[in-house]
Order: sequence, then C-alpha cells, then structure tokens
Amino acid sequence: GNSVTQMEGPVTLSEEAFLTINCTYTATGYPSLFWYVQYPGEGLQLLLKATKADDKGSNKGFEATYRKETTSFHLEKGSVQVSDSAVYFCALRLIQGAQKLVFGQGTRLTINP
Amino acid sequence: DSGVTQTPKHLITATGQRVTLRCSPRSGDLSVYWYQQSLDQGLQFLIQYYNGEERAKGNILERFSAQQFPDLHSELNLSSLELGDSALYFCASSGVSGNTGELFFGEGSRLTVL
Repeated sequence: GNSVTQMEGPVTLSEEAFLTINCTYTATGYPSLFWYVQYPGEGLQLLLKATKADDKGSNKGFEATYRKETTSFHLEKGSVQVSDSAVYFCALRLIQGAQKLVFGQGTRLTINP
Repeated sequence: DSGVTQTPKHLITATGQRVTLRCSPRSGDLSVYWYQQSLDQGLQFLIQYYNGEERAKGNILERFSAQQFPDLHSELNLSSLELGDSALYFCASSGVSGNTGELFFGEGSRLTVL
C-alpha cells in the first residue's frame, strides 16, 4: 500500500548542528511529497513540498529533494536553532485532485543551546 | 494562526459516552479533513468532505461519523467511546484552486476517555 516511513526519534542535537531526518515512501504512481512541522501546542503547518522527481523544496533553511530512484525525501538543515525544536512529519499525497495526505509517524526534534 | 478553528480544545469524558467535535475551516475553503493523532498510531486520516459531500474515507470506525454543513463547518461525532479513542483530533481545510496539497490545520481537540 501507500505509506511513509520516517527516521525514528526522538532526535536531540546541539544548536548549530547539521540535521538530517530520513523519509522514504511507498506509493503507486507519482505522489507529491511534503514536510509538515508541529510546534508544541500547535497544529501542523506546511514546511516545504516537492511535486515531481528531482524537485527541491526549501523553507526557513530546511531543504528536501524528491528522489524517485531511492523513493526518498530526506529533510536537511545546515545549522539548527533552538526554535527548530518540534515534531516533523513527512507526508505524501496519493491522488491528483484529492488532497488527502498520508503521514509518517513523525520525528520529535529537540535542539539544546 | 491557520484560520482553522476547532472546539473544544480539551474534552474529558467516560467510556460509553458520545462527544461532538467541531471545526470551522478557513474562509473560502470547501474541503475539510479529519485526522486522529495518537501516540501509537501516529496521524491517521479519518474522513474528508468537500462542499458538504463525503469525498474520501480512511480508517474511521463505525462508531464515528462526520458531516459538513451548508456553512462549511464540520462536526465529528464519536460514540460508544473507548479508552483507546483518547487522542488528539485535528481538522484541516484546503482551498479549491491549485492542487498544492497544502492543508491548513487547526490546533486540535484533545479527547481523554476515562
């Protein structure tokens, strides 16, 4: 079936460290891929997206590249900040025209000063 | 602020009871989605409505039902509640134009079943 697998957390890093959160997917056809972020006490919000192979999504210093050959969409940031502490969700959209998202399990990230 | 409003924010009830969660989508958004977030299951898609009609159904139990009203707000009804129904229930909405895939989420309704 269609699914998203994320790197298990929690992940704890020091400020200014390099971040990678792995995400791989299984899907029929060619899905669009997304990273959503959930800050404490809030709902999810879109961080970045990519709609076709080799697209790179970027926002707030985060980047992710849609890799069709490895069915991956890993999230990276060169230098994390305490304010990046949150839960990160990788997701795919299955059906063109319908916007149902399938989410991964989420990865909790904590950044220590 | 996403523009999506959910009420109540917190709800504590007993097993066997029935509750209703309410969602007001962003102004102009026709689609409403309900998701359940629990520690062991992650974010599970429950159901989607588009302009009052059911569009897609996910892992929604028969004890749960939803509807979208003419003013586009939506309600999720949970009945015969069990301990395992304790979770954070999110509503999200999306617009008509552009298949951007972006959903706008409310802050959630936390349900505790005792």
